[in-house]
Amino acid sequence: QVQLVQSGAEVKKPGASVKVSCKASGYTFPSYAIHWVRQAPGQGLEWMGWINGGNGNTKYSQKFHGRVTITRDTSAITAYMELRSLRSEDTAVYFCARDPRTLSSGWGFDYWGQGTLVTVSS
Amino acid sequence: QTVVTQEPSFSVSPGGTVTLTCGLSSGSVSTSYYPSWYQQTPGQAPRTLIYNTNTRSSGVPDRFSGSILDNKAALTITGAQADDECDYYCVLYMGSGISVFGGGTKLTVL
Repeated sequence: QVQLVQSGAEVKKPGASVKVSCKASGYTFPSYAIHWVRQAPGQGLEWMGWINGGNGNTKYSQKFHGRVTITRDTSAITAYMELRSLRSEDTAVYFCARDPRTLSSGWGFDYWGQGTLVTVSS
Repeated sequence: QTVVTQEPSFSVSPGGTVTLTCGLSSGSVSTSYYPSWYQQTPGQAPRTLIYNTNTRSSGVPDRFSGSILDNKAALTITGAQADDECDYYCVLYMGSGISVFGGGTKLTVL
């Protein structure tokens, strides 16, 4: 069965960077895109960007452009999301999610990771 | 910037039918936006209900269905149950690799 397992909670100081991992299993990793979504406390869901599991192409939300980098390691069947220059407003749960559309993206998300809480505090 | 709109809240009686919508601040939603729908209870990861307009995700009962109605994406829940009470989010694909969430609808079953 398809599973996405994320790394554990992180506490970071303002200005630092965080890198969250998302390990996939149960499907052919290069055939699907992985998206990253976040949710601040008490707020709605927010799309951050995605990576093509095969060729590594990425696309980011304009809101995060320049601060976020999404990468993948096909040998480790893992996607990563790095967010830099952290501020308190980046405190949120970060989710990875698979796009159900093979070899492309845009159909939404079918499987989700369990979420990773990132707390930014001095 | 185009905003994805959802009703902030909605209520339905147990056993009743409710249709939640997902629109655009400017323009009409069509299947080209590949609308998708997610259910979320507090403290949990979202659960996928519908993707690509009307494809039910694995294990989702047929009480949940997706469509396009009156230029908006729609999620219809029939036979509402107590555990349907939670938040519902839609996502629209804006093209060029960009997806946008709606603000979410809090559904009450009473």
